[in-house]
Amino acid sequence: EPEVTQTPSHQVTQMGQEVILRCVPISNHLYFYWYRQILGQKVEFLVSFYNNEISEKSEIFDDQFSVERPDGSNFTLKIRSTKLEDSAMYFCASSDPGQPLNFEQYFGPGTRLTVT
Amino acid sequence: AQSVTQLGSHVSVSEGALVLLRCNYSSSVPPYLFWYVQYPNQGLQLLLKYTTGATLVKGINGFEAEFKKSETSFHLTKPSAHMSDAAEYFCAVSLTYNTDKLIFGTGTRLQVFP
Repeated sequence: EPEVTQTPSHQVTQMGQEVILRCVPISNHLYFYWYRQILGQKVEFLVSFYNNEISEKSEIFDDQFSVERPDGSNFTLKIRSTKLEDSAMYFCASSDPGQPLNFEQYFGPGTRLTVT
Repeated sequence: AQSVTQLGSHVSVSEGALVLLRCNYSSSVPPYLFWYVQYPNQGLQLLLKYTTGATLVKGINGFEAEFKKSETSFHLTKPSAHMSDAAEYFCAVSLTYNTDKLIFGTGTRLQVFP
C-alpha cells in the first residue's frame, strides 16, 4: 500500500541552525501539507501546497519557514534559523482530490525535531 | 472560525468495555469530520470520516461515530475495547474535502486495562 515517508525520523540541531525536513508524498497525490505537534499539544496546521505554490498557511508559518517541491517526488520544509520553540514532531501529509469520495489526507510517520 | 473540542484528555476503560470518546465542533458551514488514531511513535492514521449522507459512519478496527448536527457532535464509540486500542485519538474538522487544512482537537489518550 502506498505511504508517505519522511526523513530523518529524528533531527537534533542547535538554535539558529537551518534544518530541512524531507517528505515523499504518495506518488499520484496533488496536495501536500505540513503539520506540527509540540509535545503534549494538539496537531497544528502549518501550510498546504498545490501546483507548486502555497495554497494556505497558518500564523505559525512565518518568514523562517519555507516549503519546496524540488523534484517530482520530494516535498521539503525548511526552517532557516531554528528556535527552541520549533522543537516538535513535524508531519507531512498528502491527498488526492482526483479520487471521487476520497476525503483523506495520508500522514507520514513524522520527524521529531529537537532544538538545543 | 472552525474549532474542535475533545472532552477528556485521558479516558480509561477495561478490556471489553464500551469506548466513548467525545468530540464537539464549531463550524459556520457543514463540516467534514474525521477521527485519527496515533499509536506510540507512529503517524496519524484515519479511523473514519463523515462527509455527507448517512450520519452513522463505520471505520476500521470496529470503531464508529455518529454525526449529530443538532448537538454539533461527532463522538467516537466502540462496543468492546481491546488492549490494542490504547492510543491517542484526534478528532478533526475540515471545511472542504481534500484541499483544505484539518483543524484538530487536543486529543484523547485512551488507556485499556486488562
